[in-house]
Amino acid sequence: GNSVTQMEGPVTLSEEAFLTINCTYTATGYPSLFWYVQYPGEGLQLLLKATKADDKGSNKGFEATYRKETTSFHLEKGSVQVSDSAVYFCALSVDSNYQLIWGAGTKLIIKP
Amino acid sequence: EAGVVQSPRYKIIEKKQPVAFWCNPISGHNTLYWYLQNLGQGPELLIRYENEEAVDDSQLPKDRFSAERLKGVDSTLKIQPAELGDSAVYLCASSLGGGVTGSEQYFGPGTRLTVT
Repeated sequence: GNSVTQMEGPVTLSEEAFLTINCTYTATGYPSLFWYVQYPGEGLQLLLKATKADDKGSNKGFEATYRKETTSFHLEKGSVQVSDSAVYFCALSVDSNYQLIWGAGTKLIIKP
Repeated sequence: EAGVVQSPRYKIIEKKQPVAFWCNPISGHNTLYWYLQNLGQGPELLIRYENEEAVDDSQLPKDRFSAERLKGVDSTLKIQPAELGDSAVYLCASSLGGGVTGSEQYFGPGTRLTVT
């Protein structure tokens, strides 16, 4: 079946540190991959996406590359800020109706 | 452009009482989703609409949950009667749908339900 596995949180970093949040997937066919972010008290927001192998999604300094050979879509940011503290969800969809399969989420805490 | 609107934002009810949540999707979005999100977990799909048709309700507990999207725009999700285990955040999302490649879902702020 289709599934998404994310690294467990919380991930705690100091401001300006390098961030990686790992995400791997299992899917039939050719999925689209997404990272969503949920700030405290707010709804889910799409952070970035990639729809085919080797695509790189980027937004707000975050990047993730669709790696078909390793079935991964790791989220990275070169220098995190306190305002990046949130829960990050990796997700995939494998059909044209875009039902999303979600990871469990990774809580990120950035300390000043 | 207005985002997905949900109301109420918070609701506290006693068990066995009914409750309803309302969602207005982004204008022009044909696909509407209702999700349930428990603390520390990802969203779980309850039902998906394409226009006014419920095309995937396999995860909706039909003994107590119901939903409607009568005119293919806004939607209501109802629980009757509510149980303690229904305490969660109920999320509504919308997307262009229609098989558009990479069409992302846009989420509302959610309704936090507490059943006492």
